[in-house]
Amino acid sequence: QSALTQPPSVSGSPGQSVTISCTGTSSDVGSYNRVSWYQQPPGTAPKLMIYEVSNRPSGVPDRFSGSKSGNTASLTISGLQAEDEADYYCSSYTSSSTLVFGTGTKVTVL
Amino acid sequence: EVQLVESGGGLVKPGGSLRLSCAASGFTFSSYSMNWVRQAPGKGLEWVSSISSSSSYIYYADSVKGRFTISRDNAKNSLYLQMNSLRAEDTAVYYCARDVSSWYYFDYWGQGTLVTVSS
Repeated sequence: QSALTQPPSVSGSPGQSVTISCTGTSSDVGSYNRVSWYQQPPGTAPKLMIYEVSNRPSGVPDRFSGSKSGNTASLTISGLQAEDEADYYCSSYTSSSTLVFGTGTKVTVL
Repeated sequence: EVQLVESGGGLVKPGGSLRLSCAASGFTFSSYSMNWVRQAPGKGLEWVSSISSSSSYIYYADSVKGRFTISRDNAKNSLYLQMNSLRAEDTAVYYCARDVSSWYYFDYWGQGTLVTVSS
């Protein structure tokens, strides 16, 4: 199972919006609404930010939103804040009943 | 408070074995699927293995299939990963993670334990 494809980096100024794409195949992202997103600041464990494509766990700011079209899922951070600077990973359930993560995207707040 | 604490990491030679443990507390361990996820130094996340609440369903990434074995002891609130035939590419921080839904949504993670495979 190959990793889902994410851009290596995205950046934006405080207050702006950034969107991270996550491209898979018809065997994972395209066939299941089982996409999640994780935020990982340096030296820490990942934190669940979005599950089931667009649902936010309790405590996650509504600045974070998710969507999916075809084989590509997206995470949008609106009103970018300095504290959002971190690595972000998507993941998807697969047709083999396993999980595949994305390659990861570093978000930089300018 | 939910806590996951991994242990058992360390330095091992190629071809060697290691057993990781994850001690869970603060929730009903026997009700949740559990997973191992690893992260090589400076690299991204890689899912390793999952085990259902009653150990009925077990899955592995192709990269570890046949070498790693996941297990759990619900009486001891513990998750394990037996790693055999270790390779240099298995070097990583290994996290245990709780699956909130059995659909691979990990709401709690441990702090990780470092496994280094080197001669």
